[in-house]
Amino acid sequence: AQRVTQPEKLLSVFKGAPVELKCNYSYSGSPELFWYVQYSRQRLQLLLRHISRESIKGFTADLNKGETSFHLKKPFAQEEDSAMYYCALNTGTASKLTFGTGTRLQVTL
Amino acid sequence: EAGVAQSPRYKIIEKRQSVAFWCNPISGHATLYWYQQILGQGPKLLIQFQNNGVVDDSQLPKDRFSAERLKGVDSTLKIQPAKLEDSAVYLCASSLLAGGVYEQYFGPGTRLTVT
Repeated sequence: AQRVTQPEKLLSVFKGAPVELKCNYSYSGSPELFWYVQYSRQRLQLLLRHISRESIKGFTADLNKGETSFHLKKPFAQEEDSAMYYCALNTGTASKLTFGTGTRLQVTL
Repeated sequence: EAGVAQSPRYKIIEKRQSVAFWCNPISGHATLYWYQQILGQGPKLLIQFQNNGVVDDSQLPKDRFSAERLKGVDSTLKIQPAKLEDSAVYLCASSLLAGGVYEQYFGPGTRLTVT
């Protein structure tokens, strides 16, 4: 069965410090992975997906099939990055997303 | 473009009572999802519709939960009777079509408290 693991409930970093939010997955097929973000009092929204291989708001994530990981990275954290981040795995063709438990990123001055 | 609408935003009921949630997806979106998010966990898919047909309801507790999407637009999710463990945020999402390339857009959610 598919599974997404986000080992950290809370990650606290200083402004300007690098950020890495960890995500590991378990799935026997070919995975599609996503990062979703929820800012305070806002809706859950897509941040980026691995197939796009793009940088959004300075964040990047590389799919590592050998380590079954899809860690989210940003070289310099900003205050506005403070939010809840969820890693999600799509299995099959029907958009069935399996979410991790989320990591709260707190960026302090 | 208007987003996914949900109502009510908050609901408090006693166990064994019934409750219904409503969702209006983004216009033109064929695929609609209902998720349950328990405090401290990620969203869990309950049911997925493609137009007015069910694509996946494998994680829907069918003894107490039901959902419908009449006319392939709005959807309602019902719980009858509610249990304490049903306390959660119920999220509705929609996408243009099914498939990983199609972004899912989420509504604001309905926070249910069962006492």
